[in-house]
Amino acid sequence: KQEVTQIPAALSVPEGENLVLNCSFTDSAIYNLQWFRQDPGKGLTSLLLIQSSQREQTSGRLNASLDKSSGRSTLYIAASQPGDSATYLCAVDSGYSTLTFGKGTMLLVSP
Amino acid sequence: EAGVVQSPRYKIIEKKQPVAFWCNPISGHNTLYWYLQNLGQGPELLIRYENEEAVDDSQLPKDRFSAERLKGVDSTLKIQPAELGDSAVYLCASSLATGEVNEQYFGPGTRLTVT
Repeated sequence: KQEVTQIPAALSVPEGENLVLNCSFTDSAIYNLQWFRQDPGKGLTSLLLIQSSQREQTSGRLNASLDKSSGRSTLYIAASQPGDSATYLCAVDSGYSTLTFGKGTMLLVSP
Repeated sequence: EAGVVQSPRYKIIEKKQPVAFWCNPISGHNTLYWYLQNLGQGPELLIRYENEEAVDDSQLPKDRFSAERLKGVDSTLKIQPAELGDSAVYLCASSLATGEVNEQYFGPGTRLTVT
């Protein structure tokens, strides 16, 4: 059974810092990995999707990497802003379109 | 383009009462998912539809939960009777499955409180 772990559970940084969120998964036989953002009381917003054949994806200040063999992904946020404050969720598609989620990293960026 | 629509956004009911949630997926998306999210946890899949067929309902508590997706578009998730432990956020997602790439798009969720 696939298990997804996210570290740290919570992170507080001052505005402008670069930061890294970590995601690890137990079964490396995945189709793709998706990073989501969730604001309080809201649904999930897809940030980046990395296919199993890819090593990274970039969108604006966000960069996600994937090392399938070691079961790890990182989400890099450059020049963090208060508007980046949210919970970031990592999810793995191990086949049949079923996503297994981690518990998330709660990020707070202070002005 | 409209995203995934869910209603109601919030629902408060007493235990043992029935409740229903509605989802309208993104136009053209053939796959629809219902997830359950408890506080401080990631979402967990309840049921997945491909068109009107439920292809994965292994995590759906069938003694009290039921779902349908008539005509392969909108979907309804029902709980009868509700229990205190059902208090959670119920998320609907949809995707257009194309080979191995299957990016899921989520609705805002329905927050259920059972008293």
